[in-house]
Amino acid sequence: AQTVTQSQPEMSVQEAETVTLSCTYDTSENNYYLFWYKQPPSRQMILVIRQEAYKQQNATENRFSVNFQKAAKSFSLKISDSQLGDTAMYFCALSGAGSYQLTFGKGTKLSVIP
Amino acid sequence: DAGVIQSPRHEVTEMGQEVTLRCKPISGHDYLFWYRQTMMRGLELLIYFNNNVPIDDSGMPEDRFSAKMPNASFSTLKIQPSEPRDSAVYFCASRPGAAYGYTFGSGTRLTVV
Repeated sequence: AQTVTQSQPEMSVQEAETVTLSCTYDTSENNYYLFWYKQPPSRQMILVIRQEAYKQQNATENRFSVNFQKAAKSFSLKISDSQLGDTAMYFCALSGAGSYQLTFGKGTKLSVIP
Repeated sequence: DAGVIQSPRHEVTEMGQEVTLRCKPISGHDYLFWYRQTMMRGLELLIYFNNNVPIDDSGMPEDRFSAKMPNASFSTLKIQPSEPRDSAVYFCASRPGAAYGYTFGSGTRLTVV
């Protein structure tokens, strides 16, 4: 069984500052994929960033980057230069390489304060 | 591509009525998923299809829920009869393979009164 844990139900950050959202996971698979999704108040689920477990290099997408620690089973999301539009729920998700189903965490509600 | 298309965006119905939610996945995505999102339970997987065949429906809460995928471009989730506790946002998502994340539709907010 796969599990994903997001230990921070809510966080806030000042505009233009940097914030890190935590995610830990558990899986028995050697190869898997990790994802961060953003859900703004519009409720649309948007894929932010994706990491392949067999790649050591941390994924980056513009202001979004991850810190992937495979041994610790940790996958945190760093948002640099936070903008008001980053206000959203953020979900961490895991998929085994042989599985087509994503397992989601409970989410972290991020508020960017002007 | 227009993305995953869900309809309706909002649905308000009375208890006991039949509700049908619709989804058009992205062309070429072999996997289609139905999720339910509530404040209490978060995102719950209800059922998923591969090449139009239901693979895992263990998340379907009761016999009142049923889902079909008659072809690669269309799926429905039906609730009959509906109950107030079915009120939630229902998402459809599709995926081309395990290496890729889901592409979600915009969801249907269902309110049963």
